[in-house]
Amino acid sequence: GIQVEQSPPDLILQEGANSTLRCNFSDSVNNLQWFHQNPWGQLINLFYIPSGTKQNGRLSATTVATERYSLLYISSSQTTDSGVYFCAVVGGTSYGKLTFGQGTILTVHP
Amino acid sequence: GAGVSQSPSNKVTEKGKDVELRCDPISGHTALYWYRQSLGQGLEFLIYFQGNSAPDKSGLPSDRFSAERTGGSVSTLTIQRTQQEDSAVYLCASSAISGANVLTFGAGSRLTVL
Repeated sequence: GIQVEQSPPDLILQEGANSTLRCNFSDSVNNLQWFHQNPWGQLINLFYIPSGTKQNGRLSATTVATERYSLLYISSSQTTDSGVYFCAVVGGTSYGKLTFGQGTILTVHP
Repeated sequence: GAGVSQSPSNKVTEKGKDVELRCDPISGHTALYWYRQSLGQGLEFLIYFQGNSAPDKSGLPSDRFSAERTGGSVSTLTIQRTQQEDSAVYLCASSAISGANVLTFGAGSRLTVL
């Protein structure tokens, strides 16, 4: 099946700093989503972005499908951004099954 | 409903007992997914439903695990003869169109097997 690798595994920032999270995948995809899991365990969808670029406030994401990677940018980080960020994909031949990466643990200090 | 609802939110059981976990998806969502997240780990796919059928149940860890969905709505995940390694958070998600749409997750059911 498709492999999803996220980097870095851990990231520690001071409030106000910017960061870039990366997601590499091993095959073509027809669905790619970024999620944030808050410290209480709730998973929130941030972006549905199988290709192209999207922005939502301080967050933006870019997927270059031909090169099999996606980037999540967080600008002017806040303590509420802390948690785990997951990239998840549906491979071209895996209709419906969303495969998750292992996540990036982000800690933002005040 | 407005969101994906899961029950119970917390379940503590003894090894060898059976448990049922329930998921009530967003109204009108045709696709429903079950994932498992062990402590500090990523999400492990279990099964996905399109309507009442399960095109992909490749992630069910053993024959002690089963799931069904009735009326294209509520789904139940059943674990028979629970083992300690079954302890995890079981997450349910739904989407309007399988494979090509945004997943909305419930808050999860935390299962602890003593």
